Amino acid sequence: GQNIDQPTEMTATEGAIVQINCTYQTSGFNGLFWYQQHAGEAPTFLSYNVLDGLEEKGRFSSFLSRSKGYSYLLLKELQMKDSASYLCAATDSNYQLIWGAGTKLIIKP
Amino acid sequence: ETGVTQTPRHLVMGMTNKKSLKCEQHLGHNAMYWYKQSAKKPLELMFVYNFKEQTENNSVPSRFSPECPNSSHLFLHLHTLQPEDSALYLCASSQGGQGGQPQHFGDGTRLSIL
Repeated sequence: GQNIDQPTEMTATEGAIVQINCTYQTSGFNGLFWYQQHAGEAPTFLSYNVLDGLEEKGRFSSFLSRSKGYSYLLLKELQMKDSASYLCAATDSNYQLIWGAGTKLIIKP
Repeated sequence: ETGVTQTPRHLVMGMTNKKSLKCEQHLGHNAMYWYKQSAKKPLELMFVYNFKEQTENNSVPSRFSPECPNSSHLFLHLHTLQPEDSALYLCASSQGGQGGQPQHFGDGTRLSIL
């Protein structure tokens, strides 16, 4: 079956760095998305990786290893507003998104 | 207005009621989606429309009935729902259904079934 695994919850300190991991098993693979979702709001697109390696966008970076079925989202210089759920979603051979349950990130002062 | 707009934001209904959720996208996208989001569970894809044609129906009970009159509007008609249908219903749109095109989401309708 198709499956996405990511931690349920993580806690980090303001100003620090946190890495949120995601492993996936899909029938075929056509890229991986990360979304951010604040409580009561819409998920918003953060990044898309289809090739191996690291993609950097300001304080956020996303990494992909296709051979390991693994991705991570790296958040630097954490701010209180980064408290949110982070959703990992892999695209299968039919370009359908397989979603993880999300990682709730709690930032403490 | 920009983005994806969903109405209503909150809905409380009895099991015998009929109601509809509305979604409108102002992004010029040609694919629209309905998702169900329950606490601590992955997003569940319910329906997909590409160019107004339904292309996915993931074994959704018939008490949920989608309607897509044009590429900008999507409805979800609700009838005789069950308590387990209480959840956040999210609408999304994207430019096509393939490749690295991200989906853009509305803020959702929080549905509570009494």
